[in-house]
Amino acid sequence: DTAVSQTPKYLVTQMGNDKSIKCEQNLGHDTMYWYKQDSKKFLKIMFSYNNKELIINETVPNRFSPKSPDKAHLNLHINSLELGDSAVYFCASSQSRRAGSTDTQYFGPGTRLTVL
Amino acid sequence: GEDVEQSLFLSVREGDSSVINCTYTDSSSTYLYWYKQEPGAGLQLLTYIFSNMDMKQDQRLTVLLNKKDKHLSLRIADTQTGDSAIYFCAERTDSSASKIIFGSGTRLSIRP
Repeated sequence: DTAVSQTPKYLVTQMGNDKSIKCEQNLGHDTMYWYKQDSKKFLKIMFSYNNKELIINETVPNRFSPKSPDKAHLNLHINSLELGDSAVYFCASSQSRRAGSTDTQYFGPGTRLTVL
Repeated sequence: GEDVEQSLFLSVREGDSSVINCTYTDSSSTYLYWYKQEPGAGLQLLTYIFSNMDMKQDQRLTVLLNKKDKHLSLRIADTQTGDSAIYFCAERTDSSASKIIFGSGTRLSIRP
């Protein structure tokens, strides 16, 4: 029973291509996130959606566009891939942010993107 | 501003206790978390502590929070080879909507 799943696990592509990473959670959570982890393991939030609505959009190039067709899915589309986009991308989800909620985030296994 | 800092590496002997330290800057932190990342895997929540607590114990794990000094630590008793991983400290604050700030991670290695 995978709680947060991502596909693909590995993605190798050429510079300039467009690619998508998919994320699904079966936890019934309202909030989903995308994080980027670089080669030094620094983890940085990119986007957050609550009930299909964008609530966090960090300083991320316009080439990155999240899409949430429903609250169980948050996909990440990347246009015109660059060498610097190579990283591991993690999806996560949590319960709605409300009083008393721990807002614990549950992470997917990651998608390792390599841009050649 | 929001910042979470950790030392990058820690090496301990098998069977000893490991203590991983973390400092944060935002005094409005409500929850503080410890996540574990094993090689090639995603982050797994180990434990969390609410900001009005100063200690939490869960089996081999002890979390200490010094809110005055904005210092958080994770102690792993009887460290085993399976504890080798990167440990991330993270904070959630009321000043950053639904955002959790992660530290840089501490790589724990176990020597025989």
